[in-house]
Amino acid sequence: GDSVTQMEGPVTLSEEAFLTINCTYTATGYPSLFWYVQYPGEGLQLLLKATKADDKGSNKGFEATYRKETTSFHLEKGSVQVSDSAVYFCALSGKTGANNLFFGTGTRLTVIP
Amino acid sequence: DADVTQTPRNRITKTGKRIMLECSQTKGHDRMYWYRQDPGLGLRLIYYSFDVKDINKGEISDGYSVSRQAQAKFSLSLESAIPNQTALYFCATSDPLAGAYNEQFFGPGTRLTVL
Repeated sequence: GDSVTQMEGPVTLSEEAFLTINCTYTATGYPSLFWYVQYPGEGLQLLLKATKADDKGSNKGFEATYRKETTSFHLEKGSVQVSDSAVYFCALSGKTGANNLFFGTGTRLTVIP
Repeated sequence: DADVTQTPRNRITKTGKRIMLECSQTKGHDRMYWYRQDPGLGLRLIYYSFDVKDINKGEISDGYSVSRQAQAKFSLSLESAIPNQTALYFCATSDPLAGAYNEQFFGPGTRLTVL
């Protein structure tokens, strides 16, 4: 079945460091891929998305590229800020059936000044 | 105002009690979902509904039931709560006409503790 494997955390970085959070997936067909972010005490917010191979999603300085050949969707940011501290979830959506999201386990990022 | 709201935001209850969690949305979406979040497990699907007359079980529906009272309202019930149902519960919506992305929009969550 569909599933997402996400880099385990927690991850602690200094401000302005480079961030990579790895995400790989298993799915039938060609799913849509997402990164969601959960700030402390809040619900999930969509950070970025991609629907087909080689698409690059980007938002707020974060980027992720849909790599079909490696079934990956790694999240990157060139220079993190303290305000980026949150839990990040990789997710996929199949295009049939429930169309629900399959989530990774989440990666907690803490950015220190 | 938030597009997807959940009530209550926090609830502490005792084993065996019946609990209802409510979700309302103003996005006009037909599809609604209930997920639970547990530490280290991500979010898992409990139930989903494509419209008022279409309700389906998700990955972990045992011990839960749902009611879709209207397009905008989707309630989750625990008929007899047990401690391992302690979790953070999220409601979400999506628009099937939005194209290939199937982006989902989440409420703020309900933190439920069963003692």
